[in-house]
Amino acid sequence: EVRMVESGGGLVKPGGSLRLSCATSGFTLSSFSVSWVRQAPGKGLEWVASFITGSNDVYYGDSFKGRFTISRVHTKNSVFLQMNNLRADDTAVYYCVRLGSHGYKGDFDYWGPGTLVSVSS
Amino acid sequence: DIVMTQSPLSLPVTPGEPASISCRSSQSLLHDTGYNYLDWYLQKPGQSPQLLIYLGSTRASGVPARFSGSGSGTDFTLEISRVEADDVGVYYCMQSLQTPITFGQGTRLEIK
Repeated sequence: EVRMVESGGGLVKPGGSLRLSCATSGFTLSSFSVSWVRQAPGKGLEWVASFITGSNDVYYGDSFKGRFTISRVHTKNSVFLQMNNLRADDTAVYYCVRLGSHGYKGDFDYWGPGTLVSVSS
Repeated sequence: DIVMTQSPLSLPVTPGEPASISCRSSQSLLHDTGYNYLDWYLQKPGQSPQLLIYLGSTRASGVPARFSGSGSGTDFTLEISRVEADDVGVYYCMQSLQTPITFGQGTRLEIK
């Protein structure tokens, strides 16, 4: 069974940092691309970043370039999102997502339950 | 950035009746491969989103046959042939032809 389980969320002050982790199981992480998607309270879905397997290319939404870093350690079956210089509008549930095997940047076939990040003084 | 526009934003439906959600993109989502890089997701109340349709029209594993996706280029439709109570939630379309990957605003389906 494929599982994605996020951790590391919590309350942080503006300007602070957090590192989110995503523990994966049930598949070979090195063979799949992964992404982070977030959802602010009561709002819609927003793509954050993707790590593409094979090429190891990374992509970020404009709001996250220079502040967030996505990484993958397949030997640990884990995906990470390092978030720096956090702002109040980064408050959201962050989902770790697996991309399916159809060779494009979509097809988010498995989602974790999410971890809540709250940025407030 | 490619802008995704869904309509309607709210959709009350009687059980057993059909439902249709439209998604329009500001640029064509048709890739050189011949596939449209357009997915549909459903977020049920209190749950994470789940994949319904990928590449515009292919149902994801385990998705009931009453869900279908159609369209090409800039105009796409998600149809539910006969709505059930379990179908309530917010439906999102998403394009991944270009980064940034972008989602529609969401369509909230509710049971009348």
